[in-house]
This record gives sequence, structure tokens and C-alpha cells, in this order.
Amino acid sequence: SAVISQKPSRDICQRGTSLTIQCQVDSQVTMMFWYRQQPGQSLTLIATANQGSEATYESGFVIDKFPISRPNLTFSTLTVSNMSPEDSSIYLCSVGRGSSYEQYFGPGTRLTVT
Amino acid sequence: SQELEQSPQSLIVQEGKNLTINCTSSKTLYGLYWYKQKYGEGLIFLMMLQKGGEEKSHEKITAKLDEKKQQSSLHITASQPSHAGIYLCGAVIGTASKLTFGTGTRLQVTL
Repeated sequence: SAVISQKPSRDICQRGTSLTIQCQVDSQVTMMFWYRQQPGQSLTLIATANQGSEATYESGFVIDKFPISRPNLTFSTLTVSNMSPEDSSIYLCSVGRGSSYEQYFGPGTRLTVT
Repeated sequence: SQELEQSPQSLIVQEGKNLTINCTSSKTLYGLYWYKQKYGEGLIFLMMLQKGGEEKSHEKITAKLDEKKQQSSLHITASQPSHAGIYLCGAVIGTASKLTFGTGTRLQVTL
């Protein structure tokens, strides 16, 4: 399995500001995913980040709000822009393994927007 | 309504007791994945089930996939405090090319 780290692990931000979350993997992976887990809720896929191409966003998520970069096969960033209290969530990155949908997750970033 | 429902939503069991968590889909399942999440942390991959009737075990945790019923069950034998956490099922449902996650089951194990 891959070792995945995320920075920051947690942050408290003021509304209207932006936060960039980093996801680093210890091996090269093709597929990286960003999820949101709102308080008491399950995981919701924000977007799939592929190296060398634009991220593919799920319904309800837009690039202007959640811009994603994927500069190489071991790294990705997710920015939460113009934050509001409704953006308070845990944000998780994951990586795919092989041809199945098996995924390994990072430890998550706990974001609180005041 | 959720495409992937888990039951029960929460569970408190005494140490040493057995328990079962169910994950039911409203559509055809293509692959079922079980994860465990400790509070405020990332997800730990437990098991993947891909074929109807498939059953896998790891230590005291057994998972089964019933494709006809569009359901999977996770059974823990002789529960321990280390089993406490949130159990999430994820599945490829219908024609979607992504994982959809269930509503989660919060497990507490008391001494």
C-alpha cells in the first residue's frame, strides 16, 4: 500500500480566505482523488486528479471553488477558495491502486471556517 | 435517499461480543470495499470483495458480498476496544466510474 501524507493536518480559517491542501505520495500513482467529509457525514468525491490533464469534477463541485493541481505522479494540491463556514469539513486525498477501485487514503485535513 | 445505506448507524457492544454491520445498495454493485476510520483520521482499507458470494477474512473481521441482494456484511468476532471506530463501505454502483460511500456505522466497544 502507498504511504500518503497531507498538509496541513488541520487549520482554522476566516471566511473569504483560501486554503491550499497538499497531498504527497511515496510512490508514483496515476489516479489521485479528493474527497470531502462534512461533519457527521460520509465521504463525497470532489474530483479526480490526473497528472498532465485537468481534474474531473463531480456534480456540485466547480473548478473556481476547488482548483486542483497535479504537477507530477506523486503530488497534488486542492485549494478551497473564498471559504464560508459551510466549507468546514475534513478533506481527504486518496490514490488508486491497479485497475480496481481500491483506494488508499491520506490522514485528512480538518478545516474549520469561522 | 442514499445509494448505499449502512445499518446500524451506531452500535455499542461489550468487549468479546460478536457484531454485524450491513451495507445495502439500491443498485447493482460492482465491487465492494470496507474501510475503518478512527475519529478525525483517514480511512484504513480493510477488504475488497468483487464477486458474488465472495467472503474474505482478516484476523477477526469477515466480510461477505451477496450480489443478488446487493448487500455486503461485515462481521467482527469477539470484539475488542481496538475495533472501535467508524466503518464505511464503498462501492462502484451501477454505471458510475467512482466509489460511492455508505453512511457509516459508528462502533463503540465497552469493557
